[in-house]
Amino acid sequence: EVQLVESGGGLVQSGGSLRLSCAASGFTFSSYDMSWVRQSPGKGLEWLSYISSSGDTTYYADSVKGRFTISRDNAKNSLYLQMNSLRDEDTAIYYCNRGGWLADWGQGSLVTVSS
Amino acid sequence: DIQMTQSPSAMSASVGDRVTITCRASQDISNSLAWFQQKPGKVPKRLIYTASSLQSGVPSRFSGSGSGTEFTLTISSLQPEDFATYYCLQHHSYPRTFGQGTQLQIK
Repeated sequence: EVQLVESGGGLVQSGGSLRLSCAASGFTFSSYDMSWVRQSPGKGLEWLSYISSSGDTTYYADSVKGRFTISRDNAKNSLYLQMNSLRDEDTAIYYCNRGGWLADWGQGSLVTVSS
Repeated sequence: DIQMTQSPSAMSASVGDRVTITCRASQDISNSLAWFQQKPGKVPKRLIYTASSLQSGVPSRFSGSGSGTEFTLTISSLQPEDFATYYCLQHHSYPRTFGQGTQLQIK
């Protein structure tokens, strides 16, 4: 069974940084592309970032480009999202996803940015 | 970037109704479209991918169709557990983009 477990969320001040992690199990992590998606309170889904299975290729939404960095450690079956220069509008639940087509989702990690 | 426009943004329907939700892409995305269902407080769940492929375990009352720029999600006979918010996603190119969502409520 595919399992994706996010961690690292919490309360952070505006302008601060946070690093989210996603622990993957139940599949060969190194063979899959991975993605991050978020959802602000009461709002729709927003795609954020993608990383290829090898980590060589990454893409970002314009809203986070230059502030967020996606990375992975295939030896640890883990996906990461480094978030810098956080803003109030980054407050959201952040979901880790398997694949570029978002086949499987984690339970999400809540990030709250307070000014 | 490809823009995805869903309609309607909200609708009400009764159990047993046939429901159709539409998603339009700002440019040709072939059949690279997925549909997701999200219930309040829950994680989104993929229903359909490549426009018409049903995700394993999803009831057959759900179907998807379309290609190019216009796509539809159809629920053939609405069940109580289908009241939720539905999102489309283009998986043709990066950045991926979601539609704004369609909230399906009980009439």
